[in-house]
Amino acid sequence: AQSVTQLGSHVSVSEGALVLLRCNYSSSVPPYLFWYVQYPNQGLQLLLKYTTGATLVKGINGFEAEFKKSETSFHLTKPSAHMSDAAEYFCAVSRPASGGSYIPTFGRGTSLIVHP
Amino acid sequence: DAGVTQSPTHLIKTRGQQVTLRCSPISGHKSVSWYQQVLGQGPQFIFQYYEKEERGRGNFPDRFSARQFPNYSSELNVNALLLGDSALYLCASSLGGGVAVNEKLFFGSGTQLSVL
Repeated sequence: AQSVTQLGSHVSVSEGALVLLRCNYSSSVPPYLFWYVQYPNQGLQLLLKYTTGATLVKGINGFEAEFKKSETSFHLTKPSAHMSDAAEYFCAVSRPASGGSYIPTFGRGTSLIVHP
Repeated sequence: DAGVTQSPTHLIKTRGQQVTLRCSPISGHKSVSWYQQVLGQGPQFIFQYYEKEERGRGNFPDRFSARQFPNYSSELNVNALLLGDSALYLCASSLGGGVAVNEKLFFGSGTQLSVL
């Protein structure tokens, strides 16, 4: 069964510092991996995704993630944090459903706190 | 263009009652899926519908049911409410039936259900 584990329920950084949010996956088949962001009182928004091809994936708002099969990881990074990046971040892996579609399985989330 | 809209935004019910949550997808989107997000956790998949047919079902009891209408809007029904049903219920829409693993989901802001 596909699953993801997000290490650290909270990550605190200073504005301008590197952001690193960790995600490790478990999958018996080649995984399809996603990062979503959730701002307060809003739904989830897709940041980036990895399906096949290049292992370094660039997303919106300056975020990127690297798929490392040997480490079963898909960590999310951003070189310089901005106050507006403060939000909840979810890693997800897609799994096939009985009806033939794909459904994301989400991690527990990591709350990013950005200090001025 | 309007995004995914959900109603109501907040709801308070008592144990044993029944509740209906509503979702209107983005215009042109034919698939709707429902997620339950308990405080402090990631969203959990409940149902997916495409062209009025159920495409996937998560690990939820039969008290949970859903349907999709000809205009692609959807309702999620929960019977015999329990305290543990208190959560943010998210609806997501997509163009197709989710058969493409990288199909993008667009989330609404959710309905916050409190069961007392």
